[in-house]
Amino acid sequence: DAKTTQPNSMESNEEEPVHLPCNHSTISGTDYIHWYRQLPSQGPEYVIHGLTSNVNNRMASLAIAEDRKSSTLILHRATLRDAAVYYCILRSHYSGNTPLVFGKGTRLSVIA
Amino acid sequence: EAQVTQNPRYLITVTGKKLTVTCSQNMNHEYMSWYRQDPGLGLRQIYYSMNVEVTDKGDVPEGYKVSRKEKRNFPLILESPSPNQTSLYFCASSPGGADYGYTFGSGTRLTVV
Repeated sequence: DAKTTQPNSMESNEEEPVHLPCNHSTISGTDYIHWYRQLPSQGPEYVIHGLTSNVNNRMASLAIAEDRKSSTLILHRATLRDAAVYYCILRSHYSGNTPLVFGKGTRLSVIA
Repeated sequence: EAQVTQNPRYLITVTGKKLTVTCSQNMNHEYMSWYRQDPGLGLRQIYYSMNVEVTDKGDVPEGYKVSRKEKRNFPLILESPSPNQTSLYFCASSPGGADYGYTFGSGTRLTVV
């Protein structure tokens, strides 16, 4: 699976939108972009994924650049509960069931 | 509620005493896997299973065994635990394939003294 690059940490004020960036310049046409987060003392939690088009679900939105070399996870109104480490992971359509490879992710702090 | 259940949540044991960490999912997922998480090393896969009776090694399988006799259960077995297996363990399941997300359990914190 291709590599991703994320900032080590970000900070947001409560109730404001948060845009978490991810660069994946070597992405291939069959790579899905997945986002997970891990809250303190909990297991990783699936957030959202997409291939080419922007995606929305109850947790977040995923904006994918037209050239697919970067993407942004958008939390529309950050809450204290959103403080977590966010991981951007690429999954090849042809990877079968190879493991999720977690990098260091972005540690998001939310300030009340 | 769709979930992956691990037990126990916390375990302290002594070197060499065999133990089993259980994992069960109620989503009829074909794919299950075990990860360990260590400070500075992140999450690393131990073993995975693509279906009943089909298991394979991940990145760090040494010292661990698994079995998949039923679709819903995927226990992790430490035949002779050692202190370097002190870690936080997570079980995960998925329908399989890149177009699906994984569901993780809440974790088992294991300490081997």
